[in-house]
Amino acid sequence: SYELTQPPSVSVSPGQTARITCSGDALPKQYAYWYQQKPGQAPVLVIYKDSERPSGIPERFSGSSSGTTVTLTISGVQAEDEADYYCQSADSSGTWVVFGGGTKLTVL
Amino acid sequence: EVQLVESGGGLVKPGGSLRLSCAASGFTFSNAWMSWVRQAPGKGLEWVGRIKSKTDGGTTDYAAPVKGRFTISRDDSKNTLYLQMNSLKTEDTAVYYCTTGSWGAFDIWGQGTMVTVSS
Repeated sequence: SYELTQPPSVSVSPGQTARITCSGDALPKQYAYWYQQKPGQAPVLVIYKDSERPSGIPERFSGSSSGTTVTLTISGVQAEDEADYYCQSADSSGTWVVFGGGTKLTVL
Repeated sequence: EVQLVESGGGLVKPGGSLRLSCAASGFTFSNAWMSWVRQAPGKGLEWVGRIKSKTDGGTTDYAAPVKGRFTISRDDSKNTLYLQMNSLKTEDTAVYYCTTGSWGAFDIWGQGTMVTVSS
């Protein structure tokens, strides 16, 4: 079955830049999406179609894609950005939706 | 206001059944492709399955762990999505979210409903 691979954890100090990667063989063919989830809350979409930002999401959140890896970048990290982040995409046929295992972002 | 509200969760014994509902409001439900996503305690997000809009065929797709046991359906006259879960296993214990959105993304989520499968 198709999988998306994320690092389990990323740590940064406030004001620094956090980069969270997501790797998958079908990513050159399928868009990637990123979600932020805080404890006890439903996920929130922060990036769609690899690099687009929904309205209401701060400009410090950005996304990029290169080959089989997509990256969520959070510039000038703030304490409120501490959360779990999940990438999501689809298999090469576009039928099956897949989530990455999630990355816990810790703001030191 | 765009909203999804899940209900129907609870405690069920292994091998039992449960039906979840998701009431939608604030958008054209009949045009939406709807999905269920679950999250086991302390674990990540897992896509359960999807139902397309009737205009796109109304077909369903399921993740391998639930295929043959779970059934997704919709009642567009009631703006409601359903998840019928049969032959439940302990590993089905999770918060179940209904979700939908645009651009292939999930930008509308419910608050989730907890399903616990335990003897």
